[in-house]
Amino acid sequence: ILNVEQSPQSLHVQEGDSTNFTCSFPSSNFYALHWYRWETAKSPEALFVMTLNGDEKKKGRISATLNTKEGYSYLYIKGSQPEDSATYLCALPAYVYNQGGKLIFGQGTELSVKP
Amino acid sequence: ETGVTQTPRHLVMGMTNKKSLKCEQHLGHNAMYWYKQSAKKPLELMFVYNFKEQTENNSVPSRFSPECPNSSHLFLHLHTLQPEDSALYLCASSQTGTETYEQYFGPGTRLTVT
Repeated sequence: ILNVEQSPQSLHVQEGDSTNFTCSFPSSNFYALHWYRWETAKSPEALFVMTLNGDEKKKGRISATLNTKEGYSYLYIKGSQPEDSATYLCALPAYVYNQGGKLIFGQGTELSVKP
Repeated sequence: ETGVTQTPRHLVMGMTNKKSLKCEQHLGHNAMYWYKQSAKKPLELMFVYNFKEQTENNSVPSRFSPECPNSSHLFLHLHTLQPEDSALYLCASSQTGTETYEQYFGPGTRLTVT
């Protein structure tokens, strides 16, 4: 059974702080890793899809790294802003070819940025 | 409309009621999903439809009945629910055959069973 764990469960930071959180997964049979941002009352929004060991992706102040050999991904936010407040979800596909790509989600990290 | 839409956004129903949740995707995808999120728990996959055929039923009670009339529409029919079924129900879609199975989500229906 694919188990995806995220830590911490919640994080409270001040505006301007940089922060990071972790997604851990079994290193065997890795296929891809997804990061989503989920703001309250909105749809989860895809941030990054990562597939290669050593991948590093960036979107504005948010970046992510991937280590498939040790089974973790880090999400970094530089200079957090109140609009970054959201739940950040990590998900991995339980690969079933041509059956729609079942995603297994972690519990999420809830980030709150205070002005 | 673009993306994935869900109606209604909020629903309150009694345990003896019958209601339906609707999802529509405008992305040309061929796979659709229902997820459930209860408080403080991870998103939990309920059903997967691929080319209108159900390919996954994740041990969901029969009081939840999905329907996928075509690749763009997905319904979740609800009857004789229990209070513990109160949760956020999310719909998603994706295109099979892609390398990464990226899914696109709707905003969800917040269901309260009284």
